[in-house]
Amino acid sequence: DARVTQTPRHKVTEMGQEVTMRCQPILGHNTVFWYRQTMMQGLELLAYFRNRAPLDDSGMPKDRFSAEMPDATLATLKIQPSEPRDSAVYFCASGPGTPTYEQYFGPGTRLTVT
Amino acid sequence: AQSVTQLGSHVSVSEGALVLLRCNYSSSVPPYLFWYVQYPNQGLQLLLKYTSAATLVKGINGFEAEFKKSETSFHLTKPSAHMRDAAEYFCAVSDYQAGTALIFGKGTTLSVSS
Repeated sequence: DARVTQTPRHKVTEMGQEVTMRCQPILGHNTVFWYRQTMMQGLELLAYFRNRAPLDDSGMPKDRFSAEMPDATLATLKIQPSEPRDSAVYFCASGPGTPTYEQYFGPGTRLTVT
Repeated sequence: AQSVTQLGSHVSVSEGALVLLRCNYSSSVPPYLFWYVQYPNQGLQLLLKYTSAATLVKGINGFEAEFKKSETSFHLTKPSAHMRDAAEYFCAVSDYQAGTALIFGKGTTLSVSS
């Protein structure tokens, strides 16, 4: 049963620290997405990739967030420096792209910045 | 640009009652539409998808949705609610203009009472 995996599942850190979240997409999927979920804002798209190339990262605070795909099996989302307002659940999703466009979500990383 | 509106942020039903979760979309092109479910502390799980084939789509856990172009709707239904159906449900539409990103509604929380 192919699944998207995310590590770590939980992260507590102090303000100003660097945070790195990792995602392994489903093998064969060519699109990868990063979302953030909070009670106030709901689901927000941060960035997404197709064939490892970034297509859109307009949802990310550029000064502190960065997203990369070093290879087809790994996507990373980094926050440096972290702030309390970054506390949220971060989801990675992958999809086959055309023709059906559905996405499959990982279990999320719950980030708490104190 | 595509958009999704979920009517009712919270729906409560009794066990055994009909479940109806409403979703209306806006799209300038034939849409692909999706319903996702999120159980507490989990990622989003794909329930079902409409990709321009049959207008009545059957999904997992006894859910189904009907695509009605004239009403621009894609409502989710289940004939008989179970306690385990209590979760948050998200409707989403594919955003052709942005490639393969999905546009999500704000979600509807379904409560099921015994």
